[in-house]
Amino acid sequence: DSGVTQTPKHLITATGQRVTLRCSPRSGDLSVYWYQQSLDQGLQFLIQYYNGEERAKGNILERFSAQQFPDLHSELNLSSLELGDSALYFCASSVGGSGGPTQETQYFGPGTRLLVL
Amino acid sequence: GNSVTQMEGPVTLSEEAFLTINCTYTATGYPSLFWYVQYPGEGLQLLLKATKADDKGSNKGFEATYRKETTSFHLEKGSVQVSDSAVYFCALRSIQGAQKLVFGQGTRLTINP
Repeated sequence: DSGVTQTPKHLITATGQRVTLRCSPRSGDLSVYWYQQSLDQGLQFLIQYYNGEERAKGNILERFSAQQFPDLHSELNLSSLELGDSALYFCASSVGGSGGPTQETQYFGPGTRLLVL
Repeated sequence: GNSVTQMEGPVTLSEEAFLTINCTYTATGYPSLFWYVQYPGEGLQLLLKATKADDKGSNKGFEATYRKETTSFHLEKGSVQVSDSAVYFCALRSIQGAQKLVFGQGTRLTINP
């Protein structure tokens, strides 16, 4: 158990709908990262938040957005869903997020499996 | 940009065989390198890591050495078990800029008894 929790574990929805995925980081971790794992794209970084502020953006679609709340949990919002959004969405957390010599490790949650029908 | 290339899978071995999964990377500077493992139906678990050249990461009998001259981080295990069956991902993280992980495509390993 990594200490990172994600809810829900599974989500089935229809095209055009909107869903929210939730992540709680490990106790004491300030950074949250979101990744998407799909069959055709592999594992891709979406976005990072550090202590409530957006820190870095990856291949995140405009239909997707995220935020990190004062209690450090994070939510990933996916809207106008398409069939191609079906994937496993991972959240990871680390103590910091600014890099440097400490090279903090990212710990991953169990993921939310999204199926868009 | 940064990238990671892993050997094509799937890989099927018999129990107690020697395992090598090749991983090479392209990056500016000296990234940190990681191996993550994903067991069936589960999330990603950190297996081992190395943060500078010639470092050797090890865990659960697995080892990988950070080779700057060949930009490689091959995963090895001397004697695999059925319980090692999983998907293995090589990843890098740059020490500059965004702290995202860049993953290889993953290698599915199946160990037969």
